[in-house]
Amino acid sequence: EPEVTQTPSHQVTQMGQEVILRCVPISNHLYFYWYRQILGQKVEFLVSFYNNEISEKSEIFDDQFSVERPDGSNFTLKIRSTKLEDSAMYFCASGGTSGREETQYFGPGTRLLVL
Amino acid sequence: AQSVTQLGSHVSVSEGALVLLRCNYSSSVPPYLFWYVQYPNQGLQLLLKYTSAATLVKGINGFEAEFKKSETSFHLTKPSAHMSDAAEYFCAVSDRGKLIFGQGTELSVKP
Repeated sequence: EPEVTQTPSHQVTQMGQEVILRCVPISNHLYFYWYRQILGQKVEFLVSFYNNEISEKSEIFDDQFSVERPDGSNFTLKIRSTKLEDSAMYFCASGGTSGREETQYFGPGTRLLVL
Repeated sequence: AQSVTQLGSHVSVSEGALVLLRCNYSSSVPPYLFWYVQYPNQGLQLLLKYTSAATLVKGINGFEAEFKKSETSFHLTKPSAHMSDAAEYFCAVSDRGKLIFGQGTELSVKP
């Protein structure tokens, strides 16, 4: 069964450093998402991506964040200058072969720790 | 704006007992509703979804949920809990494609 994969599973970085989180969505999906879950809090939407551009982003997704789909298979989230409060579990999801309301399938997550 | 409220951050049941996890939603349009489960150190796995086809939705692992428009609820149930059901459960509503999640309910199952 196809699944969403994410690398790395864990990342520790120093405050101010850049990190890139990688995701390989399910191959025939058209909509891609990043969510995050700060420890003990709810899962929050960050950004959605369709047709090679951002379709929606949350207030959390400020200028420090960017996404791209560089090669038609990978979907990356970059944080340019990490802050302590960026420490969280980051989930990639993909979904939709014909519409945005279809089920989203989640990857296992990357746990990011900013020191 | 769409929102989801899950009543009870922790629910504990005995093995074999009924599982009831509560979810209420707020939506200005007919909602698409989902339940996801998160096992320790794993991602979110879809349990079931409501897309207006039927009010009683059956999912994986014996779970089901009933959509009640009058109560704006989408509670998750399972007749008989197994030890393997211990996990965190998230209710979510789709808002133009993005998912809005509730706070989550951690289910513990006692032997």
